[in-house]
Amino acid sequence: EAGVAQSPRYKIIEKRQSVAFWCNPISGHATLYWYQQILGQGPKLLIQFQNNGVVDDSQLPKDRFSAERLKGVDSTLKIQPAKLEDSAVYLCASSLGQGATDTQYFGPGTRLTVL
Amino acid sequence: SQQGEEDPQALSIQEGENATMNCSYKTSINNLQWYRQNSGRGLVHLILIRSNEREKHSGRLRVTLDTSKKSSSLLITASRAADTASYFCATDPGGSYIPTFGRGTSLIVHP
Repeated sequence: EAGVAQSPRYKIIEKRQSVAFWCNPISGHATLYWYQQILGQGPKLLIQFQNNGVVDDSQLPKDRFSAERLKGVDSTLKIQPAKLEDSAVYLCASSLGQGATDTQYFGPGTRLTVL
Repeated sequence: SQQGEEDPQALSIQEGENATMNCSYKTSINNLQWYRQNSGRGLVHLILIRSNEREKHSGRLRVTLDTSKKSSSLLITASRAADTASYFCATDPGGSYIPTFGRGTSLIVHP
């Protein structure tokens, strides 16, 4: 079974520029997560989708971050404009259901460097 | 703030030795999960333990949960160089669906 796909793997931009990340979850997985992982820390949940609806986005900086999951499959995460502190790895994960016992499957991540 | 905090932050051992890392959390949970992250890669799920369970095994992994102390431990027996990775615990604080990860323990296993 194919895993969670993310692109690009690496991105370098200057502050105030915009950037977008793409995620293709495992086929049939209803729940999709975007995490931000700053170097030396654990992943922090930014947004959680159930199909194409938002379950939780309480930790998403909505003044600059946006995410969508059209048709309940692929998802994009956008940052506009980027700040230096946005430098991090952005991880996408998916799970079959929404329950806390559902195993999350992670993609390889996109490493963002903001200069 | 992180719900779970792993301890120690870093652990260095020789191949064949056992590795123990701990996770403490602040609020009640229904489930606790352990994940592994190899350098530059995504996280891989290792094991889930429910709040009504005290111990679970999976291959060389042994996880314990003490809800009275709000802590969990992950034991890797007979470690291998391939076990070198960061290990994270993730909880569902207050039974929410929002998974909350700790800062992780960085394990280095020397061949």
